[in-house]
Amino acid sequence: QLQLQESGPGLVKPSETLSLTCTVSGGSIRNPSYFWGWIRQPPGKGLQWIGRIHHSGSTFYSASLNSRLTISVDTSKSQFSLNLRSVTAADTALYFCFSGFDGGAAYWGQGTLVRVSS
Amino acid sequence: SFELTQPPSVSVSPGQTARITCSADVLLNQYAHWYQQKPGQAPVLVINKDSERPSGIPERVSGSSSGTTVTLTISGVHAEDEADYYCHSSDSNGTWVFGGGTKLTVL
Repeated sequence: QLQLQESGPGLVKPSETLSLTCTVSGGSIRNPSYFWGWIRQPPGKGLQWIGRIHHSGSTFYSASLNSRLTISVDTSKSQFSLNLRSVTAADTALYFCFSGFDGGAAYWGQGTLVRVSS
Repeated sequence: SFELTQPPSVSVSPGQTARITCSADVLLNQYAHWYQQKPGQAPVLVINKDSERPSGIPERVSGSSSGTTVTLTISGVHAEDEADYYCHSSDSNGTWVFGGGTKLTVL
C-alpha cells in the first residue's frame, strides 16, 4: 500500500516561496504507472487542484497557479516537491500530496497546514 | 476549462438512498471520480472512472454518468456516510477540476 507524507514549514512570509516535500513509501516512485501531485484546501473551503507530474516528466498545472508553480520529482530520495513562489495570504491552506495510476487520486498524504503571514 | 456544480447539501435518513449530482457546463468527455472527506481527514477516493469502486469501498456506493451530469449514489445510508463529497474530472488538456463539494447529512 502506497503511503505519502508531506513535510515543510507551517509558516511562510508573504512574497516568499512555499516549499513542500512528499515522501513516498510502500511503493516505488520510479513506477512508470503512477502520477504524483498536489491539492490544497483553504480553511473551511473545498478542494483545489494544484498540479501533477507523470513519470515521463510531463507536468500539468492549474492555470491560476502556473506562473508561480514548479512540481518536481527526486527519485533518489523517493520524494516529490512543490514550490509556489510569491505567496500571499490567499495561499494559506491545507496542502495534500497525492498519487494515482488510473484515473483519480487513489493515495493521499494526511495534509500539512501552511499559513502565509508576516 | 470548465466548471463542476454540486448541491451544497443533501440530507437523508438512515437506510434511505442519497444521490449527489455533479453537473458540468460542457459535455464531459473524460471520466469523473468521487471523493469522501470526513472532518480532519484526507479525502478518500470512493468512485473511480465514473463507476468503479476502489478496493474496500462498499457495494452500496455507486456512480453513474450521463451527458453533462455524474451522480454518486449511496444506498442504505449509514451514519458513518456523513461527510463532504467532491466530484472531479479533467479537460482534454489534462487540467483537473473539482466540484465545490456536497455536505451529506444523515438525519
